[in-house]
Amino acid sequence: NAGVTQTPKFQVLKTGQSMTLQCAQDMNHEYMSWYRQDPGMGLRLIHYSVGAGITDQGEVPNGYNVSRSTTEDFPLRLLSAAPSQTSVYFCASNTGLFGTDTQYFGPGTRLTVL
Amino acid sequence: AQKVTQAQTEISVVEKEDVTLDCVYETRDTTYYLFWYKQPPSGELVFLIRRNSFDEQNEISGRYSWNFQKSTSSFNFTITASQVVDSAVYFCALSEEDNAGNMLTFGGGTRLMVKP
Repeated sequence: NAGVTQTPKFQVLKTGQSMTLQCAQDMNHEYMSWYRQDPGMGLRLIHYSVGAGITDQGEVPNGYNVSRSTTEDFPLRLLSAAPSQTSVYFCASNTGLFGTDTQYFGPGTRLTVL
Repeated sequence: AQKVTQAQTEISVVEKEDVTLDCVYETRDTTYYLFWYKQPPSGELVFLIRRNSFDEQNEISGRYSWNFQKSTSSFNFTITASQVVDSAVYFCALSEEDNAGNMLTFGGGTRLMVKP
């Protein structure tokens, strides 16, 4: 099992450009999430999904879109990149079974917006 | 709303010293989970432990131990006889039962530097 994979690992954008961060998992997890990590602030939840076709907003959703057409994939779209979106982005997946659940994280995408 | 506070932003120790990383949390739920993750310089997030709100037993795993005290809303992490390889950022996180998808709320992290 590859676990949670993310592409690209690094990306530089200009202000106003759009792009999609890819996330895939092969553990058949129902739940997937996107977090961003900024210095000194830990990780903050952007969007999450509890199954194919179902998404919802987290703590910092503005400027980002998501969709979940399959169980495996959960892409994050930046519609018009801004310097404030410079961050490290982590995708995570989990089973959603509260009693035994753990979130598994991808390796991260480091995004710089100039 | 839930909150996790890691008051120590940076800790520096010399190899073989013991070190404790503090974590204080806030939640209105009676059922919740607490986590510790390690982020080494390579950047990935490594799961260390999950503890549920009904289990206050301390846990030991090799040189790592965790002290969960509901009375003080704390979930502290101790590394015994620290090693250079322990140098990393450590995150404490909280997941409440009411959160759809078991979303995690993270503390700001503690950067541990272990010097040889």
